[in-house]
Amino acid sequence: SQKIEQNSEALNIQEGKTATLTCNYTNYSPAYLQWYRQDPGRGPVFLLLIRENEKEKRKERLKVTFDTTLKQSLFHITASQPADSATYLCALDGSARQLTFGSGTQLTVLP
Amino acid sequence: DAGVIQSPRHEVTEMGQEVTLRCKPISGHDYLFWYRQTMMRGLELLIYFNNNVPIDDSGMPEDRFSAKMPNASFSTLKIQPSEPRDSAVYFCASSPTGDGYTFGSGTRLTVV
Repeated sequence: SQKIEQNSEALNIQEGKTATLTCNYTNYSPAYLQWYRQDPGRGPVFLLLIRENEKEKRKERLKVTFDTTLKQSLFHITASQPADSATYLCALDGSARQLTFGSGTQLTVLP
Repeated sequence: DAGVIQSPRHEVTEMGQEVTLRCKPISGHDYLFWYRQTMMRGLELLIYFNNNVPIDDSGMPEDRFSAKMPNASFSTLKIQPSEPRDSAVYFCASSPTGDGYTFGSGTRLTVV
């Protein structure tokens, strides 16, 4: 069966360090993978999309890698700040455009 | 643009009552999605529309759930009759191409 796993439910890191979140999937052949941020009581907010033929994508302090052989994406936040504390969700496209979301990793950046 | 607008923000209803959730997508977005989020199951896709036409409703839990999109600027998700297990946060999202969804703030539904 199809499965999306995010490395851990919660991750605590010190301010200024790089946070690395993992998304592994099985029985998918996604054309692209997306990352979202969700704050308590709010809807997810789109951050980055990476396509199957792209190895890496960057946006400001964010970097995403996509390895279709390992069936894994890594999401990095460099120079992390307490304001980066949130739940981060990865999502894969199924057939015909709909996204399936992982359960998320709750990141806490400690001052 | 005001983003994706959902109403109401909170809904508390008694078991057996009809509940209607509303969504106004971003103008020009051809795709509209309804998701449900719970602690146990995370974000689940219920149904999605492309150009107002339902494409995939395989995520709708049962016949008690129905969704419509009468025009490009409005969609509803109806639960009739509601049950306590329907309690969740319901999100509407829209997208111009199917990539990069914009989510609304959600409707927190509590069925007592």
